[in-house]
Amino acid sequence: DSGVTQTPKHLITATGQRVTLRCSPRSGDLSVYWYQQSLDQGLQFLIHYYNGEERAKGNILERFSAQQFPDLHSELNLSSLELGDSALYFCASSVSPSSGRAAYNEQFFGPGTRLTVL
Amino acid sequence: AQKITQTQPGMFVQEKEAVTLDCTYDTSDPSYGLFWYKQPSSGEMIFLIYQGSYDQQNATEGRYSLNFQKARKSANLVISASQLGDSAMYFCAMREGFGNQFYFGTGTSLTVIP
Repeated sequence: DSGVTQTPKHLITATGQRVTLRCSPRSGDLSVYWYQQSLDQGLQFLIHYYNGEERAKGNILERFSAQQFPDLHSELNLSSLELGDSALYFCASSVSPSSGRAAYNEQFFGPGTRLTVL
Repeated sequence: AQKITQTQPGMFVQEKEAVTLDCTYDTSDPSYGLFWYKQPSSGEMIFLIYQGSYDQQNATEGRYSLNFQKARKSANLVISASQLGDSAMYFCAMREGFGNQFYFGTGTSLTVIP
């Protein structure tokens, strides 16, 4: 158990709909990262939040948005869903970049949310 | 240029043999960390091992070791005495200095043959 929780584990919805994925980082971790992993694909970095602020953006579509709340949990909102959005969405947390030798701190991944768009 | 390159899409190894999974990286930052993750068919991402750029010795964690060749910018994962449970996707990743982003390779699918 990594200490990172994600809900729901599975989500099945229809095209055009909107869903919200939730992530709670490990206790004490201020950084939250979101990744998308499509079938047989590697990990695509979507976005990084640190202590409530957006810090880096990757290949995130305009239909997707995220935020990190004061209690440090994060939500990823996916709207106008398309078939191609079906994927495993991971949240990961890490110690803050500003604390010590941050490059040497690994990410801890949640179990993922498997989204199926029909 | 790709930050992390894994050139082996798939690998096979006989049970109890050792296997090396290749990873090369690209950075100009003198301070960085290199990580390996395992993703079994169940989907979770499991952290295996890390190597810091200033570490003098290769990292080891049980049956996992990291063959770190700084001048060649390679960080190959060596799994000794392969087990059937080692069958999974393996991802190499890098974080630069105090950077916000982790860079992942495309992964290598390892199959252990009985």
